[in-house]
Amino acid sequence: SQQGEEDPQALSIQEGENATMNCSYKTSINNLQWYRQNSGRGLVHLILIRSNEREKHSGRLRVTLDTSKKSSSLLITASRAADTASYFCATDANNAGNMLTFGGGTRLMVKP
Amino acid sequence: DAGITQSPRHKVTETGTPVTLRCHQTENHRYMYWYRQDPGHGLRLIHYSYGVKDTDKGEVSDGYSVSRSKTEDFLLTLESATSSQTSVYFCAIGGGGAVGTDTQYFGPGTRLTVL
Repeated sequence: SQQGEEDPQALSIQEGENATMNCSYKTSINNLQWYRQNSGRGLVHLILIRSNEREKHSGRLRVTLDTSKKSSSLLITASRAADTASYFCATDANNAGNMLTFGGGTRLMVKP
Repeated sequence: DAGITQSPRHKVTETGTPVTLRCHQTENHRYMYWYRQDPGHGLRLIHYSYGVKDTDKGEVSDGYSVSRSKTEDFLLTLESATSSQTSVYFCAIGGGGAVGTDTQYFGPGTRLTVL
């Protein structure tokens, strides 16, 4: 079963608009990470937020974490056509193998 | 790319044949992982390794075995491939550092089709 569930499953916006993706998870976590996957490629790490953090920024990315609601959001501001990709959240549930559990992903399309 | 290669990149095989996928890293990371990616399921962990000859099962390990005889190589074997194992397989590496601090770095993937 998936620990993380992304919402929406697909999102289509115009270039310049903001894109918001949400992730919900089920169990307590050490951290939550967001990854990006371009079509036909491997995943690339975007940002990590620890369980004791509430918000984190990296360039045009803003991630929030609400552990009481077991949810996170990824905001991409001023989107570009090059942001078109699938975005996955992954949780690290305090296990010795540093194993990550991934959600099903949000497919983002940014139209020029 | 974080020094991870996978081979082959594409493979078509027949039901019942054995298949071995290889992951090779040049980063000297302790942890290595095998995932499969299917539509609607995201990535699911098959097996992982926390050192040479040290491996453990993930969420969907049935029908798969792994081996790690060297730090840089992690092999995934399908002893007798089935059509349900048609998927894209990703290898990943991680540092195995302090809990809560590690990210994973992914290879380019292997697309496997079992007819």
